[in-house]
Amino acid sequence: DAKTTQPPSMDCAEGRAANLPCNHSTISGNEYVYWYRQIHSQGPQYIIHGLKNNETNEMASLIITEDRKSSTLILPHATLRDTAVYYCIVREAAGNKLTFGGGTRVLVKP
Amino acid sequence: GAGVSQSPSNKVTEKGKDVELRCDPISGHTALYWYRQRLGQGLEFLIYFQGNSAPDKSGLPSDRFSAERTGESVSTLTIQRTQQEDSAVYLCASSQDSYYGYTFGSGTRLTVV
Repeated sequence: DAKTTQPPSMDCAEGRAANLPCNHSTISGNEYVYWYRQIHSQGPQYIIHGLKNNETNEMASLIITEDRKSSTLILPHATLRDTAVYYCIVREAAGNKLTFGGGTRVLVKP
Repeated sequence: GAGVSQSPSNKVTEKGKDVELRCDPISGHTALYWYRQRLGQGLEFLIYFQGNSAPDKSGLPSDRFSAERTGESVSTLTIQRTQQEDSAVYLCASSQDSYYGYTFGSGTRLTVV
């Protein structure tokens, strides 16, 4: 079962930062937070993951609270091509599968 | 190739027929996964291969479903006696190991008529 809670949908304006929240209050010490997105008619795409420190890559930033019970994915300058379903997943590093929940359907508007 | 390749991209089959779906993972990726996504729904885990270890088949929905993988290369997912509820996109993913993110293929869209 998915161990995360995300809002079902959100809109954001093109060019602005998109902040996607995720609650994972039952996360255990050895579980990582992973983010994926799925653009319509495509397979999911890996975005970023982290354990407890904030992470940044060319796609996004991941902010994890100190108690690790929630996190935020930040798309710094949203574009229309960022319209997708975004999935927040917790998993052990040695775990053998990702369990996808419902995700957040993000619509970037001009 | 640079990505995970799946074939065919689309498959229409008659109810009761067997189908075989193919996945070519990224070279060097030891882990391979199969997922199913029905229209408008989330991803369902089916099966996981890691190197020479016994596969995790816990997500296979029935004994009509089976999968094989040859070493660390190609995998095939076979569905016997297809039913209409098997209609879905079947997604394959591979990863360097379980720590890293998965790379997904574009999927095979299966339609059972």
